[in-house]
Order: sequence, then structure tokens, then C-alpha cells
Amino acid sequence: SQTIHQWPATLVQPVGSPLSLECTVEGTSNPNLYWYRQAAGRGLQLLFYSVGIGQISSEVPQNLSASRPQDRQFILSSKKLLLSDSGFYLCAWMSSGNTIYFGEGSWLTVV
Amino acid sequence: AQSVTQLDSQVPVFEEAPVELRCNYSSSVSVYLFWYVQYPNQGLQLLLKYLSGSTLVESINGFEAEFNKSQTSFHLRKPSVHISDTAEYFCAVSDIFGNEKLTFGTGTRLTIIP
Repeated sequence: SQTIHQWPATLVQPVGSPLSLECTVEGTSNPNLYWYRQAAGRGLQLLFYSVGIGQISSEVPQNLSASRPQDRQFILSSKKLLLSDSGFYLCAWMSSGNTIYFGEGSWLTVV
Repeated sequence: AQSVTQLDSQVPVFEEAPVELRCNYSSSVSVYLFWYVQYPNQGLQLLLKYLSGSTLVESINGFEAEFNKSQTSFHLRKPSVHISDTAEYFCAVSDIFGNEKLTFGTGTRLTIIP
């Protein structure tokens, strides 16, 4: 069966520091991968998605970036965090029938 | 492009009462429809989905949703709610022609009152 993992689960970072959130999927090959952000009291915002290695589509211009160095690995990064980057970050992959399955989420607090 | 509207941001319901969470969508093509549930401090879990076939779909924990093409709706219902149903519920839509993305609604927070 397929599983998705992301880490770290929680992160407290000072303003201006770098960020790296990692996500891996197991049990499938060449999945579509996604990064979403959920700010407090708000809905889901699609940040990036990838249909293959090295292929990244950005949905929202910001100081975040994403990379897909391997088929089942998706990384969310920032060189300098802003206070507004705080939120709950969710990695996801797409199965048949356009069904998306989410990871456990990563809480980022920028202080 | 698709869009999803969840008309109620918060729904308080007494325990054992029925509930309906509303979801309307817009799309120029045929769609797949989904409901996801998010329990406090957790990721989203797929609750149920409509891909094709019967317009009434059910989840294992008693929720059901009905796809109504003429009204472009996919409302979520449960005849008797439990305290454990307290969560945020998200409706989502995707077109069936190979679109790589789901469009989510803004969510409905369901609070069960003992």
C-alpha cells in the first residue's frame, strides 16, 4: 500500500532563517506531488505541484520554493523566512481518479 | 477552471441530531467530487468521493453525500452526529480530463454540542 511521510512535524524558526520540509511517498511510482499551506483559520492554499522529477509548478508567488530531486521526494524550502510563512504545511500525492492523499502535516511557527 | 463554495464556515449541532454541510461547485466540464475531514492538529483524510456511477456515496462512519448535477451540489449529511465528528470538513472538486489539481473549499467547522 502507499504511504506518505513528511517531516519535521513541528518547527519553530526565527525570521530570516532558512527552511526545509521534506516529504516522501512509498508504494507508488511517478506520483503527482503537492505542497499546500493552511494558515490559521483559513482554507487550503496550493503552493506547488510536481508531475515528475525536476518539474515544479508554482501557484503562488512568494519566498518559498520546491524541488523534486527524486521520483518520490518533494522538498519545500525557503532561504529567508517571513512571519507570514507561519502555518500548517501539508504534502500530498495524487492517486487514480484524481484522489489526493495527505501527509501528517508540519507546523511551522516563525518567530 | 473550477471553484467550490462552502456556504457555512461554522455549524454547531447537538449530539445525535442530523447535520448537512453544504457544498456547491462550478465547472464547465464533468467533475470528480470529494469530501475531506481534518481532526484537530492533524492532516486531511479522505472521507468520501464521487467519481462516477451512483450519485449517492457513503463513508464508513455514517456520512453520505449526493451528487446533484442540476444544482451543482455535493452536500454532506449524517442522520445522527457524535462528539467524535467534531472536525473541519473540506469539499473539493477536480475535472475528469486529466487535471492535476484539486480545488478546495474554505472549509466548514462542525462543532458537536453535548
